Amino acid sequence: RKEVEQDPGPFNVPEGATVAFNCTYSNSASQSFFWYRQDCRKEPKLLMSVYSSGNEDGRFTAQLNRASQYISLLIRDSKLSDSATYLCVVNGDSWGKLQFGAGTQVVVTP
Amino acid sequence: GAGVSQSPRYKVAKRGQDVALRCDPISGHVSLFWYQQALGQGPEFLTYFQNEAQLDKSGLPSDRFFAERPEGSVSTLKIQRTQQEDSAVYLCASSSATGGASYNSPLHFGNGTRLTVT
Repeated sequence: RKEVEQDPGPFNVPEGATVAFNCTYSNSASQSFFWYRQDCRKEPKLLMSVYSSGNEDGRFTAQLNRASQYISLLIRDSKLSDSATYLCVVNGDSWGKLQFGAGTQVVVTP
Repeated sequence: GAGVSQSPRYKVAKRGQDVALRCDPISGHVSLFWYQQALGQGPEFLTYFQNEAQLDKSGLPSDRFFAERPEGSVSTLKIQRTQQEDSAVYLCASSSATGGASYNSPLHFGNGTRLTVT
């Protein structure tokens, strides 16, 4: 079983709609959580960190549920430019090694 | 430099050849990581350096893989006797945090080296 698991999608989302997806992690000792965005044939880029109390960055909202060991990402008012693969990232070791999920593909359609 | 720089951008190797991939991290970044990303998968951890010390190499798939960072800045990932299953994108990332990455010091990735073994 992989340490970080995501629904691969694709999530096909009409422009302007809301989409949400989760990621589960297996290491209960994990302390840091992130969402990265990866465009086709590009490197991953940090989208946002995920804090215990949940946090928002514009149209993006991230939540952490430690009891059930999952994090979520919600995108409101989807734009065509939101089409990408969203990687869930968890520190899986005491020294901060980051483990990546396989990614959730989001396709926003006109 | 402004970001993490990797070279070459693309590398085609015949099976059995040795290859060397270079990473130039952001200046002053203590932590340096190598990841391997196969098509349709997320990046898989290979190895981690804190300055010149290789603190974790648990992700290296075999003894054909070797990484170094002799002066605590530029790093090289070497793959000996390449096999077809080594075909992937090799990503380098750096962070200003000691001990990996954190909320205040996230990972910054280079644009990767796409290795194709024929």
